[in-house]
Amino acid sequence: AQSVTQLDSQVPVFEEAPVELRCNYSSSVSVYLFWYVQYPNQGLQLLLKYLSGSTLVESINGFEAEFNKSQTSFHLRKPSVHISDTAEYFCAVSDLRAAGNKLTFGGGTRVLVKP
Amino acid sequence: DTAVSQTPKYLVTQMGNDKSIKCEQNLGHDTMYWYKQDSKKFLKIMFSYNNKELIINETVPNRFSPKSPDKAHLNLHINSLELGDSAVYFCASSRGTGGAATEAFFGQGTRLTVV
Repeated sequence: AQSVTQLDSQVPVFEEAPVELRCNYSSSVSVYLFWYVQYPNQGLQLLLKYLSGSTLVESINGFEAEFNKSQTSFHLRKPSVHISDTAEYFCAVSDLRAAGNKLTFGGGTRVLVKP
Repeated sequence: DTAVSQTPKYLVTQMGNDKSIKCEQNLGHDTMYWYKQDSKKFLKIMFSYNNKELIINETVPNRFSPKSPDKAHLNLHINSLELGDSAVYFCASSRGTGGAATEAFFGQGTRLTVV
């Protein structure tokens, strides 16, 4: 069964500093990869996704993630964070072999941006 | 015009009661899901329906019964509530189960507290 590991449960970072959130998944076969963001007391919003093509994917608010098949990783980065980026970030994998498009989530990384 | 809407947003109830959570999506999607987020923020799929047909039942106790009257609705009924059922329950939908259709859109969540 697929598993997703987010190595850092919390990442404190100062405003305008860079941040990297690490995500590793267990299966090396065909997968789709996602990063979702959850702001306090809200639902999950898709931040970015990798389905195929270029291994570097970007979001409209400055985040980017790189799919690395050999390392089974999909790390999320932002070169300069804002206070508004304070949230919980979830990496998720959809295993193309599995029926039903199940998303398997990592445990989440809480990003706390300090002024 | 919320894309995926759940009601209620908060639900506090006593052990042993039966309760329902409703979910509706206006995106025209074929696939709907229920996910559970526990107190440690861990997200796990419970059920998935495609065109009203159950396709994923992730070893959820029989006390949980999903019902999909049509493609746009997926309700969750819980019998004999237990303390351990306290969690945030998220409804989600996607266009389908393959390719770019795998992107899931989430509702705002229902915070269930069993006392």
